[in-house]
Amino acid sequence: GAGVSQTPSNKVTEKGKYVELRCDPISGHTALYWYRQSLGQGPEFLIYFQGTGAADDSGLPNDRFFAVRPEGSVSTLKIQRTERGDSAVYLCASSSTSGSQQYFGPGTRLTVT
Amino acid sequence: SQQGEEDPQALSIQEGENATMNCSYKTSINNLQWYRQNSGRGLVHLILIRSNEREKHSGRLRVTLDTSKKSSSLLITASRAADTASYFCATAMTNAGGTSYGKLTFGQGTILTVHP
Repeated sequence: GAGVSQTPSNKVTEKGKYVELRCDPISGHTALYWYRQSLGQGPEFLIYFQGTGAADDSGLPNDRFFAVRPEGSVSTLKIQRTERGDSAVYLCASSSTSGSQQYFGPGTRLTVT
Repeated sequence: SQQGEEDPQALSIQEGENATMNCSYKTSINNLQWYRQNSGRGLVHLILIRSNEREKHSGRLRVTLDTSKKSSSLLITASRAADTASYFCATAMTNAGGTSYGKLTFGQGTILTVHP
């Protein structure tokens, strides 16, 4: 079946702009995760959803970052007033239940100029 | 912040040789997982070892876990050029219900290069 998909694959935006990154999880997976990976580093946890609700958003760096999953399937990560330090690859993953194996999408490479 | 540290940061070997990568972590865990990443994009799950297990095998992969030392190792035997990638360990803690908590904490990774 289809894996986790993320759009866009690449996004270039100017400092101060608003961006939305989309994640389509594997159908039927109730848990969805967002991670951010800077160059040369491992992924860092941002937020995870169990169904429609954010079960843990402790990794969101500040209030410019927000994520939603209104129908318990697709999720959108929203970044306001982007800064150059937000440049990274944003990875999404899903799992059938919280704690089971996570399947990662290909990521969205965000570049803030 | 990253929980784990991986060692070495980079490893270069010839095809046919074995590759060993190590991972250390700081807190108690429910399980530890290893992932591979090509070209800085999607992560591929390789193997999961639970905190009550000491060793696990999958094909050419062998993972060990020492919870007393809070460390794990990944051994790739008879390496191939196609094994060239970055390898990450990731840990999951135990939640209040005693099962694995979903959030993964990754190490910084080992870059493996296998020369043909």
